[in-house]
Amino acid sequence: GNSVTQMEGPVTLSEEAFLTINCTYTATGYPSLFWYVQYPGEGLQLLLKATKADDKGSNKGFEATYRKETTSFHLEKGSVQVSDSAVYFCALSVLDSNYQLIWGAGTKLIIKP
Amino acid sequence: GAGVSQSPSNKVTEKGKDVELRCDPISGHTALYWYRQSLGQGLEFLIYFQGNSAPDKSGLPSDRFSAERTGGSVSTLTIQRTQQEDSAVYLCASSLALGQTYEQYFGPGTRLTVT
Repeated sequence: GNSVTQMEGPVTLSEEAFLTINCTYTATGYPSLFWYVQYPGEGLQLLLKATKADDKGSNKGFEATYRKETTSFHLEKGSVQVSDSAVYFCALSVLDSNYQLIWGAGTKLIIKP
Repeated sequence: GAGVSQSPSNKVTEKGKDVELRCDPISGHTALYWYRQSLGQGLEFLIYFQGNSAPDKSGLPSDRFSAERTGGSVSTLTIQRTQQEDSAVYLCASSLALGQTYEQYFGPGTRLTVT
């Protein structure tokens, strides 16, 4: 089956720290991979995506590389800000699941000034 | 342009009542999805539409749940005889077409509370 596993939170960091949120997946076929972010009181927004192996998605200083050999799509940012505090969801989409998004559990990120 | 809109934003209902949730997708988006976000279950897929057709209803949690889409646009999710376990945020998303490279744009959600 298709599934996504991401590190449990909350993750608490100081401003300007380096961030990694781990995400691994299991999928039949060749999935597309996504990171969505949910800021407090707001809806889900696409942060970045990658549609094939070795693609790197990037946005707002965040990056994630689609690693087929390790079935991973870890989210990284070099220097986090208080405004990055949010819940981050890793997700995949694949043909045999009718392209629905299959979600990780979400990781709450708290950045302290 | 306008994003995905959902109404109502909040709904409190008594156990046993029926509720109807509405989703207005982005104009021109042919694919529409319903998800549910709850504390215990995280984010889970409910149903999708390609045009007005919902080929796979297996994600709906029970036969109390139904959904329709008319005119390739607005969709309604109906929950009959609501139960407390139906309490969740119901999210609608739309995408330009059905396919894994197409971004899904989410609405703000409807928070349903069943008392």
